[in-house]
Amino acid sequence: GAVVSQHPSWVICKSGTSVKIECRSLDFQATTMFWYRQFPKQSLMLMATSNEGSKATYEQGVEKDKFLINHASLTLSTLTVTSAHPEDSSFYICSAKGQAPSSYNEQFFGPGTRLTVL
Amino acid sequence: QKEVEQNSGPLSVPEGAIASLNCTYSDRGSQSFFWYRQYSGKSPELIMSIYSNGDKEDGRFTAQLNKASQYVSLLIRDSQPSDSATYLCAVDTGRRALTFGSGTRLQVQP
Repeated sequence: GAVVSQHPSWVICKSGTSVKIECRSLDFQATTMFWYRQFPKQSLMLMATSNEGSKATYEQGVEKDKFLINHASLTLSTLTVTSAHPEDSSFYICSAKGQAPSSYNEQFFGPGTRLTVL
Repeated sequence: QKEVEQNSGPLSVPEGAIASLNCTYSDRGSQSFFWYRQYSGKSPELIMSIYSNGDKEDGRFTAQLNKASQYVSLLIRDSQPSDSATYLCAVDTGRRALTFGSGTRLQVQP
């Protein structure tokens, strides 16, 4: 149980284009989803927190107009990187928590999406 | 002071030995504690959770919590080369997202 999927697992795009990443909780309802970014050999960096049906809460320094988050249902959140640039190349990971088998605020991570912007 | 502190390592142990990973946290009101394992290039995987003082064992893993000392640790018995990874300590500080340490890199030498 507590499986989180992400799609795509990797994407290469041209500078200036937009990329959408999907995050799904497969066997539980995720009341809250989180988006992280991780650069090579660095720590996880929380970008934003989203609750189903409400606006996402962004961490300080994260541009909400550049990283659009939509949490349309209890099982799906999307992150859109708009007008991507090479410096946006990173490993984007979502996680979810909610009515999982063990719901003591455990967060379950998706497999991540590696974005490369040329 | 960081909210969750871990030694970055690398911690190197021989195969078959016990690996001991440590974590301290600053928020005395924290109630839930987690250990995640992250292989290079992969996302974190939850391996242990602990909520009350004492030890919790799951296979080769034992999590230890001491709330008075604000200290949580992870012991890995009979370490295997496949245990080589970065281990992240995470604490529920009351915010919606867990607060993660920067991780300890473990290397198990065959």
